[in-house]
Amino acid sequence: AQKITQTQPGMFVQEKEAVTLDCTYDTSDQSYGLFWYKQPSSGEMIFLIYQGSYDEQNATEGRYSLNFQKARKSANLVISASQLGDSAMYFCAMREDVNRDDKIIFGKGTRLHILP
Amino acid sequence: DAMVIQNPRYQVTQFGKPVTLSCSQTLNHNVMYWYQQKSSQAPKLLFHYYDKDFNNEADTPDNFQSRRPNTSFCFLDIRSPGLGDAAMYLCATSRDMGGLTEAFFGQGTRLTVV
Repeated sequence: AQKITQTQPGMFVQEKEAVTLDCTYDTSDQSYGLFWYKQPSSGEMIFLIYQGSYDEQNATEGRYSLNFQKARKSANLVISASQLGDSAMYFCAMREDVNRDDKIIFGKGTRLHILP
Repeated sequence: DAMVIQNPRYQVTQFGKPVTLSCSQTLNHNVMYWYQQKSSQAPKLLFHYYDKDFNNEADTPDNFQSRRPNTSFCFLDIRSPGLGDAAMYLCATSRDMGGLTEAFFGQGTRLTVV
């Protein structure tokens, strides 16, 4: 069963607009972490933001915020005031640690295109 | 300063010729991961170490092996590379804190099989 679901294979957004990238997850653990990574065409994986399952406040990092809805098991990434440099692949990921079997699993990604 | 270093950045190997990719870290993290990422796909977890405990994913081919001689270094060995093994290989490290910390990635090794 797929643990991380990103339903938007690609998105086109006008520069300076806000954009929301969707992510839903599946776990029976109480303790887990959710992450978003950005991967430009160079291939490096750039950490953007994380949310712990016990965090009550939504995480924010500059222009990035994570809209965490625990009951719905969703962890959407919001990018405010998009820039041309935001064009990249974006991956949602979840970390679980069950008896020292500590995994980080990625969704299939969303390719974001920012239009000038 | 780079904290997770993968060498080499680009590797070309012949079909069937064993190849080793390396990963080193200066973060003293006890968890290390190896991922395979093919073009336009998500990173796929091959295996990971929790301290010295090795965890192999069920669908990782036997052709892929790993070694972790100490905390700082981890190696990915591909015993007989096939054309289908051409991919980006990503190493990542993290601390074990109940799943509440990020993983730091190296820049990856892009493997070509000829």
